[in-house]
Amino acid sequence: DTAVSQTPKYLVTQMGNDKSIKCEQNLGHDTMYWYKQDSKKFLKIMFSYNNKELIINETVPNRFSPKSPDKAHLNLHINSLELGDSAVYFCASSLRDGYGYTFGSGTRLTVV
Amino acid sequence: SQQGEEDPQALSIQEGENATMNCSYKTSINNLQWYRQNSGRGLVHLILIRSNEREKHSGRLRVTLDTSKKSSSLLITASRAADTASYFCAKYSGGGADGLTFGKGTHLIIQP
Repeated sequence: DTAVSQTPKYLVTQMGNDKSIKCEQNLGHDTMYWYKQDSKKFLKIMFSYNNKELIINETVPNRFSPKSPDKAHLNLHINSLELGDSAVYFCASSLRDGYGYTFGSGTRLTVV
Repeated sequence: SQQGEEDPQALSIQEGENATMNCSYKTSINNLQWYRQNSGRGLVHLILIRSNEREKHSGRLRVTLDTSKKSSSLLITASRAADTASYFCAKYSGGGADGLTFGKGTHLIIQP
């Protein structure tokens, strides 16, 4: 029944490692997003993606890369993890850009 | 620059009272959305108000939008303990897949 599901929910890893977070939506939405929420709860968009176009926030390091095997999935791959990458990462989807979002429950990433 | 600044940052009221949160923004919008985030959870979409609308209602929620002042307010009437959460406004400017720009949020605590 879960509309937007993310795995894993928690991820603890060492600096320098490479990790992936998976996201799947079963809503038939056209657009998916990745947001980063820092310790002060500020949400910052990282990527938005529909079946035609990937928009990358220019402030996101190129160590972060989205991968979309199909319209229902948008995975986040992170290379060479750094301490500052520790945050909660949220996947979301919307019918179209500008419509209300449905968020996943988040992945808490801790880099040690 | 960050868009969608909420005010106040934190609000504590007694159960049964009304809670009002404000949001200001700097540039023109296509629509403005409000979200709720319970501790440790993903964000939940509450209401979307378009730039040509002035007021919308949903149950105990009332949202107003004043485009001349570039501000919006969220009113929760007859608050309940379950309303304790962080509330975010998010601005959609349109014209591309830029996604929503979120403010810092208001942390609302309802005292039983």
